[in-house]
Amino acid sequence: KQEVTQIPAALSVPEGENLVLNCSFTDSAIYNLQWFRQDPGKGLTSLLLIQSSQREQTSGRLNASLDKSSGRSTLYIAASQPGDSATYLCAVGSTGGFKTIFGAGTRLFVKA
Amino acid sequence: DGGITQSPKYLFRKEGQNVTLSCEQNLNHDAMYWYRQDPGQGLRLIYYSQIVNDFQKGDIAEGYSVSREKKESFPLTVTSAQKNPTAFYLCASSGTGTAKDTIYFGEGSWLTVV
Repeated sequence: KQEVTQIPAALSVPEGENLVLNCSFTDSAIYNLQWFRQDPGKGLTSLLLIQSSQREQTSGRLNASLDKSSGRSTLYIAASQPGDSATYLCAVGSTGGFKTIFGAGTRLFVKA
Repeated sequence: DGGITQSPKYLFRKEGQNVTLSCEQNLNHDAMYWYRQDPGQGLRLIYYSQIVNDFQKGDIAEGYSVSREKKESFPLTVTSAQKNPTAFYLCASSGTGTAKDTIYFGEGSWLTVV
């Protein structure tokens, strides 16, 4: 059964700092891995989608990497801003079944 | 604009009462989903539907029911059998309903038992 873990659960950084959020998964048989952003009391917004054949994806200040063999993905945020404060969730689409499995998220706070 | 609309945003339920959460999408997606999110926890799948007139139970279906009479609509009913319904409910959709697809979410509905 696929399990997705995100560490740390919460992170506080000063504005301008580069940071890395971690996601690990137990079963390397995946279709893709997605990173989402969730603002308080809101739905999830897709940030990046990495297919299983890809190593990384970039969008603006965001870069996500995928290492299937080690069961890890990282989301790199460059030059963090207070507007980046949100919860970031990763989700794994497993080949073993229909379902996409979500991690519990990392709550990020960027201090001005 | 294309997207997923959930209503109401806030809903209060009395003990023993059934309530229905609405979810409508205009993305022409085949698959739709309902998730439950509790504070500090990940999303848990309640029900999903890959095609009209068909739906499947997720991990926590007890106390919930759904219907899929139209491609655009996937309402969720929280029945009185659900003992702890207070949570944030998220509706989502994807193109073909496999784990290969990007999932798009609505803005969510807060349900509180009073």
